[in-house]
Amino acid sequence: EDQVTQSPEALRLQEGESSSLNCSYTVSGLRGLFWYRQDPGKGPEFLFTLYSAGEEKEKERLKATLTKKESFLHITAPKPEDSATYLCAVRNQAGTALIFGKGTTLSVSS
Amino acid sequence: EAQVTQNPRYLITVTGKKLTVTCSQNMNHEYMSWYRQDPGLGLRQIYYSMNVEVTDKGDVPEGYKVSRKEKRNFPLILESPSPNQTSLYFCASSSVAGGELFFGEGSRLTVL
Repeated sequence: EDQVTQSPEALRLQEGESSSLNCSYTVSGLRGLFWYRQDPGKGPEFLFTLYSAGEEKEKERLKATLTKKESFLHITAPKPEDSATYLCAVRNQAGTALIFGKGTTLSVSS
Repeated sequence: EAQVTQNPRYLITVTGKKLTVTCSQNMNHEYMSWYRQDPGLGLRQIYYSMNVEVTDKGDVPEGYKVSRKEKRNFPLILESPSPNQTSLYFCASSSVAGGELFFGEGSRLTVL
């Protein structure tokens, strides 16, 4: 069964304190791992797609990496505006849906 | 501006009163999908559509219907809503099935 597990559920950081969010997945033949950001009361906003182990993508203070079993979202020197829920998803085996993890809620205080 | 538009954004209704949540996208995407988001359960797919007149069930389709008569529109129909359908609903579209999804702003539905 295709499955995505994210950890931790919640993470509190001080401004400037770097950290990483984890996304472990189980899917036969990965055909895309996606990271989204979701602000309260809003729809998820696309951040990155990764396709193969070793791939990395960066956007401002965020960097996503991928191994054969998991992905990490590294947040370098976060700011309060980075506070949000970060969702990880994989394309299901049938290619008909994205399977989402439950998310990590990040709070960055100044 | 590329967007997925859902209406209504907020709705309170009563058990058994039929309702429709509309969804429209302006990106000429072939693939569209509905998800519901519940605390502790995350996003779960309700229905999806690969193209006009082609729809299929997702993981939690019970109590819902959809139609895809035009490429841009994908309404979600609750024929007889029940309290367990109280949730936050998202419509999403993509140029290809299983690709990067573009989400609407969400529709928060409460069924009393």
